[in-house]
Amino acid sequence: DAEITQSPRHKITETGRQVTLACHQTWNHNNMFWYRQDLGHGLRLIHYSYGVQDTNKGEVSDGYSVSRSNTEDLPLTLESAASSQTSVYFCASSQGGMGNEQFFGPGTRLTVL
Amino acid sequence: QKEVEQNSGPLSVPEGAIASLNCTYSDRGSQSFFWYRQYSGKSPELIMSIYSNGDKEDGRFTAQLNKASQYVSLLIRDSQPSDSATYLCAVNVANDYKLSFGAGTTVTVRA
Repeated sequence: DAEITQSPRHKITETGRQVTLACHQTWNHNNMFWYRQDLGHGLRLIHYSYGVQDTNKGEVSDGYSVSRSNTEDLPLTLESAASSQTSVYFCASSQGGMGNEQFFGPGTRLTVL
Repeated sequence: QKEVEQNSGPLSVPEGAIASLNCTYSDRGSQSFFWYRQYSGKSPELIMSIYSNGDKEDGRFTAQLNKASQYVSLLIRDSQPSDSATYLCAVNVANDYKLSFGAGTTVTVRA
């Protein structure tokens, strides 16, 4: 069955380190999204991509970057981790078109000490 | 004004009752509307999608859409303890594939 996976599921890192969170989908979806979810803020869009080599900034993109070299993967990189980036990160994908339904991965809980 | 607003919770309902969740949105160009369920510590799960005015039923869930009033709702009939979760309303950004999410309404079904 098609799915979307994230790794690692849990990560503890130190301030200033570079961290990369992986997202892999086998839906063959064109669109992929990264969100963070914090208490009191709901889901906030970090970056998104509508196809290979396409990347776009979301509402909370500072300190994060993404690259899309193939359809299946959209890794999220924290260039220099900060304590404010402690959060739960969700990757999602959608085919686009009329539906626009997004399907979410299981999430990565990141703690920056 | 937030793009998507949901009625504040938490919402507590007795088992077997109807839970009613409401959502309003600001973008008149939105065409796709979704309800996600999120259990504590888990990722959001799509449970309903609706694109046309009126009602859409799927099992114990009914989504209602009124584009003129910019309003979408979710009814959960015969609520079960397994329905206890946070429900997120999501609306597509006009002419885009992005979704705007509400803050969520937490529902607790008490036995």
